[in-house]
Parts: sequence; C-alpha cells; structure tokens
Amino acid sequence: DVVLTQSPLSLPVTLGQPASISCRSSQSLVHSDGNTYLSWFHQRPGQSPRRLIFKVSNRDSGVPDRFSGSGSGTDFTLRISRVEAEDVGIYFCSQGTHWPPGTFGQGTKVEV
Amino acid sequence: EVQLVESGGGLVQPGGSLRLSCTTSGFIFSDYWMSWVRQDPGMGLKWVANINQVGGEMYYVDSVEGRFTISRDNAKDSLFLQMSSLRAEDTGVYYCARGPVGATAPWGQGTRVIVS
Repeated sequence: DVVLTQSPLSLPVTLGQPASISCRSSQSLVHSDGNTYLSWFHQRPGQSPRRLIFKVSNRDSGVPDRFSGSGSGTDFTLRISRVEAEDVGIYFCSQGTHWPPGTFGQGTKVEV
Repeated sequence: EVQLVESGGGLVQPGGSLRLSCTTSGFIFSDYWMSWVRQDPGMGLKWVANINQVGGEMYYVDSVEGRFTISRDNAKDSLFLQMSSLRAEDTGVYYCARGPVGATAPWGQGTRVIVS
C-alpha cells in the first residue's frame, strides 16, 4: 500500500503569515494515464473534510486562491499564502493513483 | 446544491451488524463512483470501500473484506454499507463521499459507529 507521510503533524501559524504542509509518498503518484491523483482536504472542528485541491494543483470551486498545491512524483506541498482564522483545523493529503486501497496522510493540525 | 446525508450509525456489540445509508441529492447519482471513508477516534482517515456507477465493481480495504458490503440503489439515489462481524477497530465516523478513492468530493456529515 502507498504510505503518505505528512509533515509537520502540528503547525502553529500566525494570522496573515504564510504556511506550508508537506506530503511525501512511498512511491510515485504518477498514474499510467499521465495524471497524478493527489488531493488535499481541510477539516474544520466539528465538520466533515472538504476537498481543497485535486490532481496536485487544481483548486476546487469556492476555495480561496490563498490555497495552492504543488509537487510531483513523490513530494507534494500545500501552501497558504496568508493564513486566516477560518483556516484552522486538520489538513490531509490523499492519493488515488494506486488503489485499492486509497490512502490518506496522518493529518496536520493547524492552530493559530 | 449537492447533498449527502448518512444515517444508520449507532452503538453495537462486537460481532453485531449495522447497515449504513447515504441519501443523496443535487447531482446525477448514477454518473458517479461512490465511496465510504471512516474517521477513527484519533482523527485518522481510512478509505473503506467504493463502488462504480452501476454497482458492478466494488473494492474494499483488506480489513473489512468479507465483512462489509457496499451497494447502491440508483433509482433512489442512495448508497449503502452493510457491516457485519463488527470489531472494536471498526469504531469511527463513517462518511459517504461522491467519487472514487482519491477524488472524493463532497462528503456527507458522517454517521458515528461505536462497537463496544
């Protein structure tokens, strides 16, 4: 199974400042169709996870442009250009290239 | 607006059974793969199962293979997860999600299963 390793697991942030989270895969996430199925999710306290980014760098509808995803192969990064109060919560990366099973990172808790 | 609403969770003894349901609206249900994802008490996420558009392909994580069955009713825009021989480690919040593994969006609000 593909293992996704996120770092850091806890990220203290300052409002208005940038932040980034790393997601490393145990194997390349490039699919035979040429796509890389790496997504990022955000879970606010008491809510279900919401997808922010799909296929490495594509923002979902309604996601603020302060969120960006990048990376290739086995190394991926989620960046927040200027953290806002509503950005607190847990961030997960997820892969859908090598399945079953689909896998998630351990989660990164972002706190102000 | 796309909506997914799970139900059927609860407290069950080890070895027992539960059937989870997910009622959907706001999209053409029969056009999409559908998935179940569990969030354990420690907040980790684990993909549990998914099913293709017509219900002809189902996939499961190894730990539930043979115990859980995913199914769907396209006439009722609904997804199901029949869980049997439940174990303590099956405890968690179960989310219904539109899409195949790795491309799931959106998710429902979840239904809690406690095996104890």
